[in-house]
Amino acid sequence: EERLMESGGTLVPPGGSLRISCEGVGFSFSFYAVSWVRQAPGKGLEWVSTVNNGGDTHYADSAKGRFTVSRDTSRNTLYLQMSGLTFEDTAMYFCAKTSSAWPSDFFGPWGPGTPVTVSS
Amino acid sequence: SSELTQDPAVSVALGQTVRITCQGDRFRYDYASWYQQRPGQAPVLILFGKNKRPAGISDRFSGSRSGNSAFLTITGAQAEDEADYYCNCRDSSGNRWTFGGGTHLTVL
Repeated sequence: EERLMESGGTLVPPGGSLRISCEGVGFSFSFYAVSWVRQAPGKGLEWVSTVNNGGDTHYADSAKGRFTVSRDTSRNTLYLQMSGLTFEDTAMYFCAKTSSAWPSDFFGPWGPGTPVTVSS
Repeated sequence: SSELTQDPAVSVALGQTVRITCQGDRFRYDYASWYQQRPGQAPVLILFGKNKRPAGISDRFSGSRSGNSAFLTITGAQAEDEADYYCNCRDSSGNRWTFGGGTHLTVL
């Protein structure tokens, strides 16, 4: 069974930095893309970043320049390093296995999420 | 445009059929993936590609597209179908994704 589990979410002051993690089980990050998707309280889903199986990285405009996605294939773990955090970054952060084989691209399965709260 | 537009809320009577719409220029060339999210839970993939369902997803869920719109149809809606539904598609660069704003489905 393929599963993902996020960790590392916590309360961070505005302007602060945080690294969250996502560990995958049942499939290899060397062969599949993995993405971060976030959801602010009471709001919809927002794609944040993707690392493809070749290690190429892609970011939403809201993340570019502030967030860095990376992976450790030996640990089958994805990371999201976030800096310059603002109140607007408060959200549940989900990771999801990503199929990018057009036309059948999709996100799934998803982890349960890790909460990041930016507050003074 | 990379934006995807969904109606915020839709309702359906128990056992009836409902169609949820997602509008976006990308659907003239691409397919949507659809996600179901119940309160307090992570999203779940329910449809992708040309009307494909992951294992374990009910065949009451089906997908289609026409013009600049993609559609999620739920046939014979059940109480457990009450949830938020999100569409998603890649943008023209192929390297970025966009979600629709979500549709809350109420089963009456």
